[in-house]
Amino acid sequence: QVQLVESGGGVVQPGGSLRLSCAASGFIFSNYAMYWVRQAPGKGLEWVASIRHDGSDKFYVDSVKGRFTISRDNSKNTVYLQMNSLRAVDTALYYCAKEDYGYYGASTLVYYYMDVWGKGTTVTVSS
Amino acid sequence: DIQMTQSPSSLSASVGDRVTITCRAGQSISRYLNWYQQTPGKAPKLLIYAASSLQSGVPSRFSGSGSGTDFTLTISSLQPEDFATYYCQQSYSTPLFTFGPGTKVNIK
Repeated sequence: QVQLVESGGGVVQPGGSLRLSCAASGFIFSNYAMYWVRQAPGKGLEWVASIRHDGSDKFYVDSVKGRFTISRDNSKNTVYLQMNSLRAVDTALYYCAKEDYGYYGASTLVYYYMDVWGKGTTVTVSS
Repeated sequence: DIQMTQSPSSLSASVGDRVTITCRAGQSISRYLNWYQQTPGKAPKLLIYAASSLQSGVPSRFSGSGSGTDFTLTISSLQPEDFATYYCQQSYSTPLFTFGPGTKVNIK
């Protein structure tokens, strides 16, 4: 079945770095964009980063630009999130999610959504 | 950036109740609106995409409506497993996304 498994979380001091991984299985990984979404303790969901199916384009929420880098290795069915210069506000449960899309009625417009999510990996930034 | 708001932030309801949650976008997003359900300790689950299209496997008591800036998620008859937090998400600016702040549905 389609599955995403995150790893790499942990406790890190402010200013430190971590690399998260998300291993995918059960679908043709190289056909789909992938996303990272985070959730701070007791808070809502925040989209963090996106990467196109071939890695050609990457997109970030403003608060992580210049500090986080999303990448993927389609030969390993894995997407990564390199997090540098970590701050306390980056403390969160980090989910990876898979792109999918659908249509509405007879329209040819494409509607994107996140159809499969991993269970998440926890990042704690604290001294 | 497209801002998303939801109301109410929380509500209390009983099993069998009809529940409606509202989501508003800061600009017109046509039908580019998704709804997710998150139960405690679990990852979010997609319920509805394109404002009103039910994701495969999602019970038909869930429905969505709206376009432009105003959207609603309706649960026609609340079940025990529906007590959760619900998030709207705009996909108009895909691959950049914004989630609403969430609506927590509590047991009355």
